[in-house]
Amino acid sequence: DSGVTQTPKHLITATGQRVTLRCSPRSGDLSVYWYQQSLDQGLQFLIHYYNGEERAKGNILERFSAQQFPDLHSELNLSSLELGDSALYFCASSGPSGSSYNEQFFGPGTRLTVL
Amino acid sequence: AQSVAQPEDQVNVAEGNPLTVKCTYSVSGNPYLFWYVQYPNRGLQFLLKYITGDNLVKGSYGFEAEFNKSQTSFHLKKPSALVSDSALYFCAVRDFGSRTGGFKTIFGAGTRLFVKA
Repeated sequence: DSGVTQTPKHLITATGQRVTLRCSPRSGDLSVYWYQQSLDQGLQFLIHYYNGEERAKGNILERFSAQQFPDLHSELNLSSLELGDSALYFCASSGPSGSSYNEQFFGPGTRLTVL
Repeated sequence: AQSVAQPEDQVNVAEGNPLTVKCTYSVSGNPYLFWYVQYPNRGLQFLLKYITGDNLVKGSYGFEAEFNKSQTSFHLKKPSALVSDSALYFCAVRDFGSRTGGFKTIFGAGTRLFVKA
């Protein structure tokens, strides 16, 4: 158990809908990262937050947004969902220093299925 | 931009034999390199990292990796494979291109390791 929790574990929804994925980092970690894992794209970095501030953005679509709250949990919002958004979404945390030396600890993921 | 390549989709090895999972990288500046493992229906788990120092890095579960600057490689190795090592292995590199001082982690496509009893 990495100490990173993600809810829900599974999510099934329809095209055009909006969903919110939630992540709680390990105790003491200030950095949260979001990744998308799909068969055709592999593991893609989406976004990095450190202590509530956005630090780096990857290949995140404009329909997707994220935020990190004062209690350090993070939410990834996916809107106007398309079939191609079906994937595993992972959250990871590291820290507390936010150093680039640190390894990341991954949550179990949320499997999103868009029908 | 930084990148990593894992040239093998799959590696097959017999239990008890040594295993190698290959990774090559392309970076500007000093590379920060990582190996992660993913078991079925689980998140990724950190195995080891190279930041600086000794070229041979030792990690979890008996794994080690050798950093080779001239060949831009960071191959994962284990002297004696176990059936329980069967999983998906990812090599990763840090990308410091963000203007806000943050960084991304770029993952390779992954290599599936099968260890046969």
